[in-house]
Amino acid sequence: AQSVTQPDIHITVSEGASLELRCNYSYGATPYLFWYVQSPGQGLQLLLKYFSGDTLVQGIKGFEAEFKRSQSSFNLRKPSVHWSDAAEYFCAVGAWGSDDKIIFGKGTRLHILP
Amino acid sequence: DTGVSQDPRHKITKRGQNVTFRCDPISEHNRLYWYRQTLGQGPEFLTYFQNEAQLEKSRLLSDRFSAERPKGSFSTLEIQRTEQGDSAMYLCASTPGETPGEKLFFGSGTQLSVL
Repeated sequence: AQSVTQPDIHITVSEGASLELRCNYSYGATPYLFWYVQSPGQGLQLLLKYFSGDTLVQGIKGFEAEFKRSQSSFNLRKPSVHWSDAAEYFCAVGAWGSDDKIIFGKGTRLHILP
Repeated sequence: DTGVSQDPRHKITKRGQNVTFRCDPISEHNRLYWYRQTLGQGPEFLTYFQNEAQLEKSRLLSDRFSAERPKGSFSTLEIQRTEQGDSAMYLCASTPGETPGEKLFFGSGTQLSVL
């Protein structure tokens, strides 16, 4: 069965600085991967997803993520964060075939310093 | 497309009572998921359906939890003999269910408080 780990519970960066949020997955074959964002009191919004093809995926709000099969990772990046990026970020993994449910990580809370 | 609808938005109940939540997915979405989310945690998978068939129920879920999707449209999640640990946001999501890697469309959730 698939699983996903987000090693960092909290990340703090200064506004304008670059960001990388880590995500590691476990699955025996090629997974499909997602990043969702959740602002306080808000629903989950899809930032980007990887299904196949180019391993560098562009998403909304200037985010990108890179799928690295050798490292079982799908890290989220942004070159310059804005105060409005403060939120909870969730990595999620799905699988092919009969066991294709989507599993979420525990999340990383992003704090932005002015 | 009216989005995924969940009812009620909030539910307060006493320990030991039964509660039932409803989810109406986006029309013609064949796949429906139930998740549970507590403060500061990610959505925890509970169960999912393809049309009316329940494909899997989380092994972490006790027998007090049951879900149905009798006609492949709306779904209900019932919790029997509620416990304080059941307090959480219960989220429903749907996808067309046609190809892998589809985006989840989430409802606003039902916030359960067990006193």
